[in-house]
Amino acid sequence: GQNIDQPTEMTATEGAIVQINCTYQTSGFNGLFWYQQHAGEAPTFLSYNVLDGLEEKGRFSSFLSRSKGYSYLLLKELQMKDSASYLCAAQTNAGKSTFGDGTTLTVKP
Amino acid sequence: DTEVTQTPKHLVMGMTNKKSLKCEQHMGHRAMYWYKQKAKKPPELMFVYSYEKLSINESVPSRFSPECPNSSLLNLHLHALQPEDSALYLCASSQAGASGVEQFFGPGTRLTVL
Repeated sequence: GQNIDQPTEMTATEGAIVQINCTYQTSGFNGLFWYQQHAGEAPTFLSYNVLDGLEEKGRFSSFLSRSKGYSYLLLKELQMKDSASYLCAAQTNAGKSTFGDGTTLTVKP
Repeated sequence: DTEVTQTPKHLVMGMTNKKSLKCEQHMGHRAMYWYKQKAKKPPELMFVYSYEKLSINESVPSRFSPECPNSSLLNLHLHALQPEDSALYLCASSQAGASGVEQFFGPGTRLTVL
């Protein structure tokens, strides 16, 4: 089975750093995706982690600990346009991805 | 071309209508997906096609019927839907046979069933 948890909402200030956590319990776990979704739009890919550790990509970084079933997405130098829903998705060895409920991030001036 | 296109953008249908959603990609991806997304909820996987063959059906009711006529096209045929089927239907594609590959999502079709 699959169980994915992430906070429902977060608020942060423009220019600040925010960390969005995700925990998962996934049979046959292979890796973890992070997607960004603006209201009324399709999800867009941010990152994929399969090995433990931190992957950095510009202002966004993603971390995975397979032994703890834990991941986080770190957003630096927040901009107003970063206000969106952030979805973590656990992928199994069979290639099936299950999404968490998403974290709605609001960036305030 | 790194785009997945979906038509129509919006669709309103009655419970007795038959309609189809269409999805197209020209990235050479051999895996294509249908997801259903309700408001303020995450996408829920419905179907996966790999090399034009149905590989995953997430116990979707038979009033939804997928079809993959070729490697670039994916259809979702709708018949006798219920109002609770109103949602955003997202198509996605990725490289097949490899886990960890990015799924590219289309913009979705917003379906309203009256």
